Amino acid sequence: QVTLRESGPALVKPTQTLTLTCTFSGFSLSTSGMCVSWIRQPPGKALEWLALIDWDDDKYYSTSLKTRLTISKDTSKNQVVLTMTNMDPVDTATYYCARIGSSGGSCYSRSVYFDYWGQGTLVTVSS
Amino acid sequence: EIVLTQSPATLSLSPGERATLSCRASQSVSSYLAWYQQKPGQAPRLLIYDASNRATGIPARFSGSGSGTDFTLTISSLEPEDFAVYYCQQRSNWPPLITFGQGTRLEIK
Repeated sequence: QVTLRESGPALVKPTQTLTLTCTFSGFSLSTSGMCVSWIRQPPGKALEWLALIDWDDDKYYSTSLKTRLTISKDTSKNQVVLTMTNMDPVDTATYYCARIGSSGGSCYSRSVYFDYWGQGTLVTVSS
Repeated sequence: EIVLTQSPATLSLSPGERATLSCRASQSVSSYLAWYQQKPGQAPRLLIYDASNRATGIPARFSGSGSGTDFTLTISSLEPEDFAVYYCQQRSNWPPLITFGQGTRLEIK
């Protein structure tokens, strides 16, 4: 079965760089059409999409955060890594990784949704 | 960038009642819209994809409809476990940027 699990620090200081790892099983990110994304949710607020990476190592980022984000993958380890620079208290949130599903067979078809999610990891930014 | 606007922000209903949640897109997304349910302390769960297709294991009381810019999630008869926050989501054509609505909180009246 498909599972995803986020890991990383629970607390970071302002201006520091956050590094989160998503470790998954039940699928391969080397399979054509496959993508994994990161999404975050500040406490009591809505979901915010951050980034995606595809099987071919192409990457796309949220317009508002693209200058601070880097997404990468290690296919051999079944991991996707997200780094976010210059952390601020407003970045306090639960960070989720999720697999992108599609009825069109590719994460680049118009039919795109998140069919499997990790449980999320809460990151607090505070000095 | 496509903006998704959900209404109402909060919906107060009783078990057994019918719930109707709305999601409006700032431009046409054809039928490529998904709905999620999120309970406190849990990750979101996919309910509906491609506007009207139920995800695996989702009860038949959940249904989705709409196309273009206006979409509806309907819960035909509310069960106690349905009280949660609901989000809609779409992906723009190109670049493939993804957006969520701001959510509708469904609470017990």
